[in-house]
Amino acid sequence: DIQMTQSPSSLSASVGDRVTITCRASQDIRTSLTWFQQKPGKAPKSLIYTASNLQSGVPSRFSGSGSGTDFTLIISSLQPEDFATYYCQQHKDYPLTFGGGTEVEIK
Amino acid sequence: EVQLVESGGGLVQPGGSLRLSCAASGFTFSDHYMDWVRQAPGKGLEWVARSRNKGRSYTTEYAASVKGRFTISRDASKNSLDLQMNSLKIEDTAVYYCVRVDDSGSYSFDYWGQGTLVTVSS
Repeated sequence: DIQMTQSPSSLSASVGDRVTITCRASQDIRTSLTWFQQKPGKAPKSLIYTASNLQSGVPSRFSGSGSGTDFTLIISSLQPEDFATYYCQQHKDYPLTFGGGTEVEIK
Repeated sequence: EVQLVESGGGLVQPGGSLRLSCAASGFTFSDHYMDWVRQAPGKGLEWVARSRNKGRSYTTEYAASVKGRFTISRDASKNSLDLQMNSLKIEDTAVYYCVRVDDSGSYSFDYWGQGTLVTVSS
């Protein structure tokens, strides 16, 4: 199975901060990676697909990069509605696997 | 507007069975791969099963943790995705999400339902 390792597992940040979350795959997944945002009690929401493409309707302060095994999600200027848990997920191979999540908390 | 509405969750004893359904609307159901993803209370996300599209003969894939116990299927006439869960274990307790896979070539998850809670307990 392809293991997806996210870091950090949690972070505290202030409104306006630049936030960087990383995701590492245990083997080459090319760009078969999606980033999701999940708020408490809600379903996940797709933010970025194929590593760097912004999902329709998602604010441009979100961006993704990377290929192969190393990927990054950046929030350029954190907004109050961005406090949530973020997950990466690979769809290169079965079983599809998720990272453990990064909880972004208010500082 | 794409809508995915799950139903069928509830409380079941270990060893019991439950059938989840997902009513899909707002898109051509047969064109898309459809998946189930679950999330145990306070835990992360776990992929469960996939039903490929009509062009791929609705073939299926399963996570090792559910293979042989769960069956994913479609009712094309109702635009419904089902998950038959047998021999349920306590560790199957989770919110189960129905998820659509993008059909433009990215094969990424693009829409999620609101989820239905399955609790396995005696």
